[in-house]
Amino acid sequence: SQTIHQWPATLVQPVGSPLSLECTVEGTSNPNLYWYRQAAGRGLQLLFYSVGIGQISSEVPQNLSASRPQDRQFILSSKKLLLSDSGFYLCATDGTVNTGELFFGEGSRLTVL
Amino acid sequence: GENVEQHPSTLSVQEGDSAVIKCTYSDSASNYFPWYKQELGKRPQLIIDIRSNVGEKKDQRIAVTLNKTAKHFSLHITETQPEDSAVYFCAATGLSYNTDKLIFGTGTRLQVFP
Repeated sequence: SQTIHQWPATLVQPVGSPLSLECTVEGTSNPNLYWYRQAAGRGLQLLFYSVGIGQISSEVPQNLSASRPQDRQFILSSKKLLLSDSGFYLCATDGTVNTGELFFGEGSRLTVL
Repeated sequence: GENVEQHPSTLSVQEGDSAVIKCTYSDSASNYFPWYKQELGKRPQLIIDIRSNVGEKKDQRIAVTLNKTAKHFSLHITETQPEDSAVYFCAATGLSYNTDKLIFGTGTRLQVFP
């Protein structure tokens, strides 16, 4: 079964600074990968998803971007953070056997001050 | 695209009572409806799911019902226990899509008081 590694676990950044959150997946190949953000009162909001290397789809307009430089690596970035970027970011995959279940990483809590 | 609404946002029950969380979805093509439980500070994990070819599914104290005509589905927890306290998310998607994106509801914070 697949495992997801996500880091850093917590991050405190000033407004205007850059961001890089990394996610790697083991135990599967060519997985679908997702970035979700969890903010108070908004549940799990899908930000980006990727079906393969270099293939990124954005769900909502925002200050963030995503990249997939390798099959099992998914990166969430920002050039200049905003206060509204604070939240709990979760990487997820549904693996190679499409049962529908999503497997989440442990999350990265970002606080922008 | 799909839109999922979830109610209530918070729910408090006494231990042993039942809890019901309801969700509606907008895309009639959706055919897979999972429920995730997220304990404080942890990642969401799948607890039960239902597909459009059945109306009800049960797993011990939890059950999910689906009404495709009305486009709503519900989570039922019976004989609640303090360890059931968590945030619960419903979601919907179409498994036949080329890119299967789970769209989540806004979550329900369930508190079970002993």
